Amino acid sequence: RKEVEQDPGPFNVPEGATVAFNCTYSNSASQSFFWYRQDCRKEPKLLMSVYSSGNEDGRFTAQLNRASQYISLLIRDSKLSDSATYLCVVNTLTGGGNKLTFGTGTQLKVEL
Amino acid sequence: SQTIHQWPATLVQPVGSPLSLECTVEGTSNPNLYWYRQAAGRGLQLLFYSVGIGQISSEVPQNLSASRPQDRQFILSSKKLLLSDSGFYLCAWSHFGLSLSYNEQFFGPGTRLTVL
Repeated sequence: RKEVEQDPGPFNVPEGATVAFNCTYSNSASQSFFWYRQDCRKEPKLLMSVYSSGNEDGRFTAQLNRASQYISLLIRDSKLSDSATYLCVVNTLTGGGNKLTFGTGTQLKVEL
Repeated sequence: SQTIHQWPATLVQPVGSPLSLECTVEGTSNPNLYWYRQAAGRGLQLLFYSVGIGQISSEVPQNLSASRPQDRQFILSSKKLLLSDSGFYLCAWSHFGLSLSYNEQFFGPGTRLTVL
């Protein structure tokens, strides 16, 4: 089982739609979780951090279910500019310190 | 505010040639620094991380090496490039400390390396 698993998509949605991405992780000791956004041929940029059960920032809501080892990202009222790849990232404390493990990403295409 | 720089942005190198990629961070002190590689269609792979000057930890065996000669400078090198070294190389930084928020990492613009 991969450490962090995401549906690669693509998710093609019309402008204004609500879309949700799911992510599962294998290490129950993971402490904190992040969603990054990566545009084509660009660096990942931090979108949201999740330290407890969830986080909300405008149109974006992240939820964490530690029992099921599952994180989700909900985007409401999708904009054309939301088109990107969304990376699920899990932080785990290891013997060597904090380690971020990245999923391979879910691609979102918002269309007119 | 903090900024992170990487250069060059794009690089095309022949197999067997040396490599040197540089990353610098401004606006913070004693950051944790990271080198990642992203191959086409794959996730980010951590190559090296550093918690201080001269302190380098390697995550995967490879023909690459890293050095941290100054607090906010991180260099990725190779003596002889392989075809498999092609990819998108990303430098990242995070705050040094135990707070959970210090696990957030911020990425530079990356170097796209093609080995021919």
